Amino acid sequence: GQQVMQIPQYQHVQEGEDFTTYCNSSTTLSNIQWYKQRPGGHPVFLIQLVKSGEVKKQKRLTFQFGEAKKNSSLHITATQTTDVGTYFCAGPLDSNYQLIWGAGTKLIIKP
Amino acid sequence: GAGVSQSPRYKVAKRGQDVALRCDPISGHVSLFWYQQALGQGPEFLTYFQNEAQLDKSGLPSDRFFAERPEGSVSTLKIQRTQQEDSAVYLCASSLGGGGNQPQHFGDGTRLSIL
Repeated sequence: GQQVMQIPQYQHVQEGEDFTTYCNSSTTLSNIQWYKQRPGGHPVFLIQLVKSGEVKKQKRLTFQFGEAKKNSSLHITATQTTDVGTYFCAGPLDSNYQLIWGAGTKLIIKP
Repeated sequence: GAGVSQSPRYKVAKRGQDVALRCDPISGHVSLFWYQQALGQGPEFLTYFQNEAQLDKSGLPSDRFFAERPEGSVSTLKIQRTQQEDSAVYLCASSLGGGGNQPQHFGDGTRLSIL
């Protein structure tokens, strides 16, 4: 069935280092959404990408949607403690009712 | 309301008991989703409502799970004869339009523990 794979599962960085998470779908997606979940919290919508090759920026966060609309990435420049959490990508199932979620990448700031 | 509201925040039940979880979506939102989230995992789809119509319940793990949204606003997820594997966080999300192509707004979830 349709799957969305996300890597890595965890990333440990020193504060100030960069962070990247990658998302790959087994099928072409009409759009991809990114969410952030803080420890103990709920997923919070960050952004939606729709167009092939689209790149969007939110301050230190850069989101990309691949040309084939099957892969996406989130890059954070110069991480801060406020960036800690798990970042999820999600894409609609062919039925368009469901979102298929990646397993998430947990960003951990080393003390 | 300002956001999606779920109650209770925490629920402890003995195995075999029935539980009911409530979701109050953002006013005017057409779509309502229920998810199950295990520790360290992404949300797993359970069911989807468009207004009062349950258009997709393919994610409900068994016939012990039942969801309704009778007036197209508040929704209830009911689990009958709970089992230990039902322990998880149950998240509700709503979105303005229909389907999975719009941003979803989540509640804080209900953490269900089955003893």
